[in-house]
Amino acid sequence: EPEVTQTPSHQVTQMGQEVILRCVPISNHLYFYWYRQILGQKVEFLVSFYNNEISEKSEIFDDQFSVERPDGSNFTLKIRSTKLEDSAMYFCASDRGYEQYFGPGTRLTVT
Amino acid sequence: ELKVEQNPLFLSMQEGKNYTIYCNYSTTSDRLYWYRQDPGKSLESLFVLLSNGAVKQEGRLMASLDTKARLSTLHITAAVHDLSATYFCAVEDEYEKLTFGTGTRLTIIP
Repeated sequence: EPEVTQTPSHQVTQMGQEVILRCVPISNHLYFYWYRQILGQKVEFLVSFYNNEISEKSEIFDDQFSVERPDGSNFTLKIRSTKLEDSAMYFCASDRGYEQYFGPGTRLTVT
Repeated sequence: ELKVEQNPLFLSMQEGKNYTIYCNYSTTSDRLYWYRQDPGKSLESLFVLLSNGAVKQEGRLMASLDTKARLSTLHITAAVHDLSATYFCAVEDEYEKLTFGTGTRLTIIP
């Protein structure tokens, strides 16, 4: 069964550094999302992406964040200058119009 | 802004008992999801509920949706230890983004 994959599974970075989180959505899906979950808290929406552009973003998704679909298969989330409070699990999801399927997540630790 | 409230936040149950988790949401929605999350893991989709009166069952779990009351329930029948996890409901808005509830941490006690 096709599934969403994410790399890396765990990333440790220093405050102020740039990180890129990568996702490979399910191949025939058209809608792509990033969510995050701070440890012990609920899952929060960051951004949705359709037809090569952002369709909606939350207040969390400020100028430090960007998304890209560089090659038609990968979907990336970039954080330009990480802060301690960016430490969280980041989930990618994809959808072809019926149900969102989540990847395994990337645990980002900012020190 | 769509708000999703879930209760209880914590639930400790004895094996063999029945219980219900509630999910209330604030605005009209076409789609409601239930997910299971084990510690440190991703979200496992349990149910997608699409219409008023929808009821779905899988094993000891049954989910229902009342769109008029803006309420979904996840009912657990004769709980077993394997069901210990955190359960989230999530409501999809018109832009197809999900707003999650706070989660219910379920612990099944032998």
